[in-house]
Amino acid sequence: GQQLNQSPQSMFIQEGEDVSMNCTSSSIFNTWLWYKQDPGEGPVLLIALYKAGELTSNGRLTAQFGITRKDSFLNISASIPSDVGIYFCVRGSNFGNEKLTFGTGTRLTIIP
Amino acid sequence: DTGVSQDPRHKITKRGQNVTFRCDPISEHNRLYWYRQTLGQGPEFLTYFQNEAQLEKSRLLSDRFSAERPKGSFSTLEIQRTEQGDSAMYLCASSLLAGGVVDEQFFGPGTRLTVL
Repeated sequence: GQQLNQSPQSMFIQEGEDVSMNCTSSSIFNTWLWYKQDPGEGPVLLIALYKAGELTSNGRLTAQFGITRKDSFLNISASIPSDVGIYFCVRGSNFGNEKLTFGTGTRLTIIP
Repeated sequence: DTGVSQDPRHKITKRGQNVTFRCDPISEHNRLYWYRQTLGQGPEFLTYFQNEAQLEKSRLLSDRFSAERPKGSFSTLEIQRTEQGDSAMYLCASSLLAGGVVDEQFFGPGTRLTVL
């Protein structure tokens, strides 16, 4: 089946550091989404990407849809304590956002 | 609060019992989704509805699982004869299909099921 592999699996950083994580797929996607999940809560959409090569920002977050349509990265600049959580890259279906397929996740921890 | 709500937030049950979860989507949303998330994994799609019609079911949805959305608003997910492997977080999401375009899925806080 289709797999979304995220790296790294976990990150331990200090407040103020920049963060970079990526996601690769064995197949081509038409839509890349990045969600964040706080402990005990449901995932929340951060950024949506719809075109190969697209670079999109949302505040301190920047994400890009790879040219090959098989990868994406998410960067977080100047991390703050509320950035703690699990970040998922997500595939939407070819027709839109039905049936999301989530990656393996990157767990971000900020060391005091 | 106008987000997706789920009830209960936590459920502990004994193996073999039946459980039912409820999801109330955002009021104008016509699509409703159920996902299951086990510890350390991302959510996995179970099923989705457009209004009251159940349009797709995953292989993960065994015959012990049934979901309904009788009036196209709230939905219930029932698990019969629960097994320890059913222990997971059950997430509900909703979205709006309009003009042939499906908008963002908004997730509820989930129901955490523990089967003893």
